[in-house]
Amino acid sequence: GAVVSQHPSWVICKSGTSVKIECRSLDFQATTMFWYRQFPKQSLMLMATSNEGSKATYEQGVEKDKFLINHASLTLSTLTVTSAHPEDSSFYICSARGGWVGRDTQYFGPGTRLTVL
Amino acid sequence: GESVGLHLPTLSVQEGDNSIINCAYSNSASDYFIWYKQESGKGPQFIIDIRSNMDKRQGQRVTVLLNKTVKHLSLQIAATQPGDSAVYFCASEGRRALTFGSGTRLQVQP
Repeated sequence: GAVVSQHPSWVICKSGTSVKIECRSLDFQATTMFWYRQFPKQSLMLMATSNEGSKATYEQGVEKDKFLINHASLTLSTLTVTSAHPEDSSFYICSARGGWVGRDTQYFGPGTRLTVL
Repeated sequence: GESVGLHLPTLSVQEGDNSIINCAYSNSASDYFIWYKQESGKGPQFIIDIRSNMDKRQGQRVTVLLNKTVKHLSLQIAATQPGDSAVYFCASEGRRALTFGSGTRLQVQP
């Protein structure tokens, strides 16, 4: 149980295009989902927290107009990187937290590697 | 502010030995701690957690120790195997979300 998937697992795009990443909780309802980014050999940095049906809460320094987050259902959250540039290239990881799997435990997806040319 | 840090960036152990990975945190208000394992190119995998009302918790081959007096957390892996090679992160639950430490790379030598 407590499986989180991400799609796609990797994506290469041209500078200026937008990319959408999906995060799904497969066997539980995720009341809260989180988006992180991770640069090589570094730790995870929280970008935003989203609760189903409400606007995401962004961390300081994260542009909400560039990183659009939608949490339309209890099993799906999407992150759209708008007008991507090479500096947006990173490993994007989502996590989900739901009531029945434990109040506080976050379960992570496998990550999406974004490369912007 | 809240921060979680690790003492050693890389730990190298022999297969079959026990491994100890350490972590320090600064926010005494943190009440929930988790250890994650991350293999290259993958997302973090939950290993074990502990709440602040406990000082020890055991899982399969893993033990987490919490010392609230010195704000220190450790992960012990018994009989380390090659499959344990990965980066290990500790994380603490603050008011809103997890704060991750910088990570320790565990290398298991055959």
